[in-house]
Amino acid sequence: GAVVSQHPSRVICKSGTSVKIECRSLDFQATTMFWYRQFPKKSLMLMATSNEGSKATYEQGVEKDKFLINHASLTLSTLTVTSAHPEDSSFYICSASAQGEDYGYTFGSGTRLTVV
Amino acid sequence: EDQVTQSPEALRLQEGESSSLNCSYTVSGLRGLFWYRQDPGKGPEFLFTLYSAGEEKEKERLKATLTKKESFLHITAPKPEDSATYLCAVGPFRTSGSARQLTFGSGTQLTVLP
Repeated sequence: GAVVSQHPSRVICKSGTSVKIECRSLDFQATTMFWYRQFPKKSLMLMATSNEGSKATYEQGVEKDKFLINHASLTLSTLTVTSAHPEDSSFYICSASAQGEDYGYTFGSGTRLTVV
Repeated sequence: EDQVTQSPEALRLQEGESSSLNCSYTVSGLRGLFWYRQDPGKGPEFLFTLYSAGEEKEKERLKATLTKKESFLHITAPKPEDSATYLCAVGPFRTSGSARQLTFGSGTQLTVLP
């Protein structure tokens, strides 16, 4: 089945620094990837939709200058949290859709970001 | 605007005690309904996609059903390892072109006690 790999799984960074999270589709081409943020015991909040070769579409209220998304190839999308602050600490998850078979939407394993 | 509501928010069952989780939805147009399992600190794991009323799908102790307004996830004789948060979502099934986003419910946290 479709596999989405997300790295790193955990990262701790100092306030003011930037952190990059990678999301790769391992065995299929994902023209579209999605980035979510999840707060404790809450559901997934869509941050942005990332289309290969074009600018990401951000949801209302998501700062595009803080959360930089790049989707340079059919198998890789990155989310960079710039000038991170403690309030950016959260669980970030990516997903991708595989065309054709009943893969549904496949999710990465998530990245726990802690800003200290 | 698509809306998805899950109930109950939390459910505690004894091992072997069957039950059902509910997902009610309001959508416009053709949609697929997706069920996921999420373990703490992990991304959601795909379980099922349902496309039309009357459709049913099964996987081990889980069976998902779909009507025009809601979906049920039936858990038969659950085991402690079935403990997780179960999420449902609605969205278009992608057959061609760019995928579009899913709308998620808030999830049901299931705890199965030994």
